[in-house]
Amino acid sequence: DVKVTQSSRYLVKRTGEKVFLECVQDMDHENMFWYRQDPGLGLRLIYFSYDVKMKEKGDIPEGYSVSREKKERFSLILESASTNQTSMYLCASSAFTQSNQPQHFGDGTRLSIL
Amino acid sequence: DQQVKQNSPSLSVQEGRISILNCDYTNSMFDYFLWYKKYPAEGPTFLISISSIKDKNEDGRFTVFLNKSAKHLSLHIVPSQPGDSAVYFCAASEIGGANSKLTFGKGITLSVRP
Repeated sequence: DVKVTQSSRYLVKRTGEKVFLECVQDMDHENMFWYRQDPGLGLRLIYFSYDVKMKEKGDIPEGYSVSREKKERFSLILESASTNQTSMYLCASSAFTQSNQPQHFGDGTRLSIL
Repeated sequence: DQQVKQNSPSLSVQEGRISILNCDYTNSMFDYFLWYKKYPAEGPTFLISISSIKDKNEDGRFTVFLNKSAKHLSLHIVPSQPGDSAVYFCAASEIGGANSKLTFGKGITLSVRP
């Protein structure tokens, strides 16, 4: 079974802090993704990566950055946290193949910015 | 512009009956479609998918139907069980999507009454 592990289930930070959300997958997947989920808005893609040191902006990258130094790890960084970044953050991974593959998700990090 | 639409925010059905969850899309480049199920405080779990070369895919109690001309897909759950109560997300990816970048709908909350 694919295992995607997010470092924290719940996190509380203060406005202006630099926040790191970590994600690790154990299936040697090439693709990794960061989403945020908000009520009534579904899942929105923040950033994704299809290889080490590669990154692509998703639909809502503003206020975020990412790091992919190792294949299994994909980090989401909030450079200066703001209250509108309070959300559920979800990491996912998938294999890079000729055909489409489903993404596999972690259990999420509920982040509150005070 | 929302490319994947789940227009009904919620659905309530009686245990044992059929649940039909609908999804519409606007992007003609989408060729792979997925349904995810999400419980509160957990990450989305992949349920079932369908490629655009098919019009039906079945897995146990779950069947997905695709109508390409109408740009519409639906998930049928038969028979519905209380454990099926969750949020269901429809998602789609584009042709040649080896990176499996997905566009999600906003989700529909299914409640199955005992």
